[in-house]
Amino acid sequence: EVQLVESGGGAVQPGGSLRLSCAASGFTFSSFWMHWVRQIPGKGLVWVARINSDGTSATYADSVKGRFTISRDNANNTLYLQMESLSAEDTAVYYCARDVRSSRGSFDPWGQGTLVTVSS
Amino acid sequence: DIVMTQSPDSVAVSLGERATINCKSSQSIFSRSDGKNYLTWLQQKSGQSPKMLIYWASTRGSGVPDRFSGSGSGTDFTLTINNVQAEDVAVYYCQQYYLEPATFGQGSKVEIK
Repeated sequence: EVQLVESGGGAVQPGGSLRLSCAASGFTFSSFWMHWVRQIPGKGLVWVARINSDGTSATYADSVKGRFTISRDNANNTLYLQMESLSAEDTAVYYCARDVRSSRGSFDPWGQGTLVTVSS
Repeated sequence: DIVMTQSPDSVAVSLGERATINCKSSQSIFSRSDGKNYLTWLQQKSGQSPKMLIYWASTRGSGVPDRFSGSGSGTDFTLTINNVQAEDVAVYYCQQYYLEPATFGQGSKVEIK
């Protein structure tokens, strides 16, 4: 079964840092681009970052550029999101998702999400 | 970025009736090279993560009941839920991935009257 499991969320003070992880299983992780998408509770979905299959290329939403870093460890089937200089506006549930654009033009599956709360 | 706009924001239907949600993209998301519309419908039930429901605008995902159908091309798309069941209560999002970054509609909530 294809599965993505996020971890690392929690409460952090403004200006703080946090690293999220996404453990992948059930598929050849190193063959797929991966994404992070966030959702403010009760609000819509917003794409955050994308990394290519070998980790050599990444793109970011303007709102996180320069503060967040997406990376991956293909040997351990894990995706990461390093978040720095966090503010209240970064409070959200963060989802990782597999890129299946070539076969389905979409993201599938999505992980269960991990909640990040930035508050003093 | 391509802007995705859904309507309505919320729709209430009786059990067994039909629900229709529309999605409009700010530019065409049809690829002439492969003849596909890069439009996905996602379903998000309360407390759960999004799930891909329909891709390529009209292809149902694995295990998705056939009461769900998608249509449209270019810039205008529709999700139809026939014979709405209680378990269909959710927020539905359209997503384009024709161009990076992938973008989402604001969501449409389906409720039971």
